[in-house]
Amino acid sequence: DTEVTQTPKHLVMGMTNKKSLKCEQHMGHRAMYWYKQKAKKPPELMFVYSYEKLSINESVPSRFSPECPNSSLLNLHLHALQPEDSALYLCASSQDAAASNTGELFFGEGSRLTVL
Amino acid sequence: AQSVTQPDIHITVSEGASLELRCNYSYGATPYLFWYVQSPGQGLQLLLKYFSGDTLVQGIKGFEAEFKRSQSSFNLRKPSVHWSDAAEYFCAVGPFTGTASKLTFGTGTRLQVTL
Repeated sequence: DTEVTQTPKHLVMGMTNKKSLKCEQHMGHRAMYWYKQKAKKPPELMFVYSYEKLSINESVPSRFSPECPNSSLLNLHLHALQPEDSALYLCASSQDAAASNTGELFFGEGSRLTVL
Repeated sequence: AQSVTQPDIHITVSEGASLELRCNYSYGATPYLFWYVQSPGQGLQLLLKYFSGDTLVQGIKGFEAEFKRSQSSFNLRKPSVHWSDAAEYFCAVGPFTGTASKLTFGTGTRLQVTL
């Protein structure tokens, strides 16, 4: 299994809603990532979890709350979002140096979020 | 700080023609370099990678890239483009700490293929 699975594929929410994006991988990867991608722009790193601990937070607003319940799952909890938060949210995972020394990321297909 | 420049925002080539997408990077040490492809509304797929060794690397779908340290470049090439290659291409550079990567992506090059 070489896939990163993201759900839902599409999400529409109001500014007062609370919702979550989910990501799952079964490749034994120990690092998982959230990226945000606006239209016609490159992906921007939001968070990195390494061995289930948050290791990088790129100064993301607190209305985005990541969670890593176990080594296979990564969630992004959303609350009180703004319309400008509408974007494609990409999850990725990577192996650690014991398994691979190149650090490439494996991406899911993304969750397209629209905030009304 | 690391950075990536993809000078071509949009390239159009005819099917069967050769292709070269440019990528220049800025990084203080030996870089980990990647090319990813993204079809509309999809995630990113790794085409190829470089971190050491032979400076000409082969990837999937007939793509190759050459690392030139003197020019800080990692250009992507394909000898004969297929219509299905139309997509957005991202070059990325980053450190790999041994536990996680922190990639910086270029702004992307949109490839259009005419029949």
